Amino acid sequence: DTAVSQTPKYLVTQMGNDKSIKCEQNLGHDTMYWYKQDSKKFLKIMFSYNNKELIINETVPNRFSPKSPDKAHLNLHINSLELGDSAVYFCASSGIGVRAGNTIYFGEGSWLTVV
Amino acid sequence: DAKTTQPTSMDCAEGRAANLPCNHSTISGNEYVYWYRQIHSQGPQYIIHGLKNNETNEMASLIITEDRKSSTLILPHATLRDTAVYYCIGMNTGFQKLVFGTGTRLLVSP
Repeated sequence: DTAVSQTPKYLVTQMGNDKSIKCEQNLGHDTMYWYKQDSKKFLKIMFSYNNKELIINETVPNRFSPKSPDKAHLNLHINSLELGDSAVYFCASSGIGVRAGNTIYFGEGSWLTVV
Repeated sequence: DAKTTQPTSMDCAEGRAANLPCNHSTISGNEYVYWYRQIHSQGPQYIIHGLKNNETNEMASLIITEDRKSSTLILPHATLRDTAVYYCIGMNTGFQKLVFGTGTRLLVSP
């Protein structure tokens, strides 16, 4: 069973569209994340949720809206897509409680291409 | 979070030990040292982490200097599948936030 799974794996869409990427973890973790990896391969955190509550928001544009319906899911909705949004988006989750020492596990990524 | 410095790239022969260094001279006492790797087109993969003591698991060993200003990740018998970008990350004990640097691109050759 895949611990952190995200769908779709590949997404090609036009500028101005609205799209969502879904993420689910079956590890029983409390904390989930979204990371973005751009064309230069830099990995940056976007959001972190703990028990469905937003705890980290790294100055991401308002067009990006994470939604956590429950602890096991953290979906990423993107409005009015722009060319610069093209990237690989990684979902991740970690431990019981928000503390260091918990390992963060990543999904396999969702490759978003905006044309 | 501590800033880490790693060599841009390293080469290793298959079957030999790969020793990947990391400097984290500004690390604070409550910051863990984490190592992740990213194989091409895959999600980052956890390898190992430690606070003060050396650590070993089925994937690797982590040697942390006594002053905690540097560490070395050791892959004891590198294989071609270990070719990846390796990230050394300092993470505090507050809200978890892995801050990835540029990492070390390890190339394992036959």
